[in-house]
Amino acid sequence: EDQVTQSPEALRLQEGESSSLNCSYTVSGLRGLFWYRQDPGKGPEFLFTLYSAGEEKEKERLKATLTKKESFLHITAPKPEDSATYLCAVQAHFGNEKLTFGTGTRLTIIP
Amino acid sequence: DSGVTQTPKHLITATGQRVTLRCSPRSGDLSVYWYQQSLDQGLQFLIQYYNGEERAKGNILERFSAQQFPDLHSELNLSSLELGDSALYFCASSGGDREGYGYTFGSGTRLTVV
Repeated sequence: EDQVTQSPEALRLQEGESSSLNCSYTVSGLRGLFWYRQDPGKGPEFLFTLYSAGEEKEKERLKATLTKKESFLHITAPKPEDSATYLCAVQAHFGNEKLTFGTGTRLTIIP
Repeated sequence: DSGVTQTPKHLITATGQRVTLRCSPRSGDLSVYWYQQSLDQGLQFLIQYYNGEERAKGNILERFSAQQFPDLHSELNLSSLELGDSALYFCASSGGDREGYGYTFGSGTRLTVV
């Protein structure tokens, strides 16, 4: 069974203080690893898809990286508006197209 | 606006009742997925429909059912509701190669069972 574990559960940073969120996964043949951002009471918002180990993608202050066992979401010089829950999900090559999600990291950026 | 529309946004109902949640996918997307998100758990996959046919089932209770209509909108029916069914219910759609096989989520329906 596909599994995704995210750490830490919660993270508080000062504005401008860079850090990384971790997503460890086990999947029977990775088709894609996805990062989403979710604000309270809203639907997850797509950020990135990574397909193979060594791949990196960037968007503003966020950079996602992928290895064979984990992915990192690096946040550089965050701002208060980056406060949200960040979700990681995996999709397997075989079987249906469902995404298996981790429970997320709740990020708070303090001004 | 993500392009995935869910109605209603909020629903309050009593135990034992039945409700229907509705989802309109993004234009052109053939797949619809339903997820449940409760406070103590992450997003739990319930069911997937593709072009009107059920494609995959996850942790969906027998009291729950879904369907996808010819116009591709989908409905999730929840019956004999219990307090523990209170959660956010999300619909998502996907269009295969677009966005790297990822989903686009709607804004959800918050169900409160009292």
